[in-house]
Amino acid sequence: DAKTTQPPSMDCAEGRAANLPCNHSTISGNEYVYWYRQIHSQGPQYIIHGLKNNETNEMASLIITEDRKSSTLILPHATLRDTAVYYCIVLQGGSEKLVFGKGTKLTVNP
Amino acid sequence: DAGVIQSPRHEVTEMGQEVTLRCKPISGHNSLFWYRQTMMRGLELLIYFNNNVPIDDSGMPEDRFSAKMPNASFSTLKIQPSEPRDSAVYFCASSNRYGYTFGSGTRLTVV
Repeated sequence: DAKTTQPPSMDCAEGRAANLPCNHSTISGNEYVYWYRQIHSQGPQYIIHGLKNNETNEMASLIITEDRKSSTLILPHATLRDTAVYYCIVLQGGSEKLVFGKGTKLTVNP
Repeated sequence: DAGVIQSPRHEVTEMGQEVTLRCKPISGHNSLFWYRQTMMRGLELLIYFNNNVPIDDSGMPEDRFSAKMPNASFSTLKIQPSEPRDSAVYFCASSNRYGYTFGSGTRLTVV
């Protein structure tokens, strides 16, 4: 019962920005938007999260629309190692169960 | 910090045998989660604990599956008896209010 909608797959050229969209139209006021990724055969890895302000860290930027019904994860300069499945998840906090949808399979091409 | 530690990394067993997967969460994390991943069903949450107490086991597929967390630094997921359809990668994760960390997983093959 994932509360998000993501495209099943995307392609990006190496060195270009990868922009991954996510719709979460039923998000509640106290729910955060989390992004995780899973590189083949590894455990999911935390990328970034936010509530309503845009966020940036060493891995990515997160842009949340003003109505909070959608967001975009931006990998500014994609590399081949960024090829992975990217999951957008909404939840209230760190002790609540993390429910994964199908995610977006991002392929970075040389 | 060694992260979430799972063992074994790989397990091959015969149908009908008991299988025990182990997880050591990050010290100080108060929640622990067991997930199963297959190609068909993706990442499924099986059960999670908060402060060593099972909170939600609605994802446990059937009575052959059981999980315990005897203390804050150890959890097990047991399958008895195992079946070929249990073949999957099983992930353990732990969390605090700042976020979640996953282990490297146990790849289980039941033949």
